[in-house]
Amino acid sequence: NAGVTQTPKFQVLKTGQSMTLQCAQDMNHEYMSWYRQDPGMGLRLIHYSVGAGITDQGEVPNGYNVSRSTTEDFPLRLLSAAPSQTSVYFCASSYRGQGTYGYTFGSGTRLTVV
Amino acid sequence: KNEVEQSPQNLTAQEGEFITINCSYSVGISALHWLQQHPGGGIVSLFMLSSGKKKHGRLIATINIQEKHSSLHITASHPRDSAVYICAVKMDSSYKLIFGSGTRLLVRP
Repeated sequence: NAGVTQTPKFQVLKTGQSMTLQCAQDMNHEYMSWYRQDPGMGLRLIHYSVGAGITDQGEVPNGYNVSRSTTEDFPLRLLSAAPSQTSVYFCASSYRGQGTYGYTFGSGTRLTVV
Repeated sequence: KNEVEQSPQNLTAQEGEFITINCSYSVGISALHWLQQHPGGGIVSLFMLSSGKKKHGRLIATINIQEKHSSLHITASHPRDSAVYICAVKMDSSYKLIFGSGTRLLVRP
């Protein structure tokens, strides 16, 4: 099915461990982004990309890295996990360019750092 | 002050009631999105609006660009409508979305 695929759905990490959250889309969307969702707060933008080879920081980028080597994939790397990174992470994608386009969200990754 | 404000934060209704959720924003936008998130679930896009009104089944979304305000209405509410409803705006000249903090709706049978 077309859409945004996130893996894993759940993950428990120990403080200091590193890991990569995967995000892939098959809709040829240029724009991809990562958000974190914390209780009582709106989704906050971590990093985004407007095309292969182009990435930029969002609102809360510290502790995370991204790369965009292909149009389809936009992985999010936690370099050294901290308890403050316990959250639910969503990847979203959209077309780029003139006009307004809808966003498609992945099903989320629930991450716990102990 | 947040750029996107939703009200109410929490809403409890009886099955069959008409429900309104409001969203106000303070920035220039090219589009406004209404999203739905069921408990423990993913985020689903309900509507994208740049003007006027859209209807899908029992859901109606309206936007007033001059007043920087949008409403999401649910007619004949049902317990399966229980979810968090999120307003998000796409700013002019940007691909980024700015999110409200969500409205948690509980519809009791």
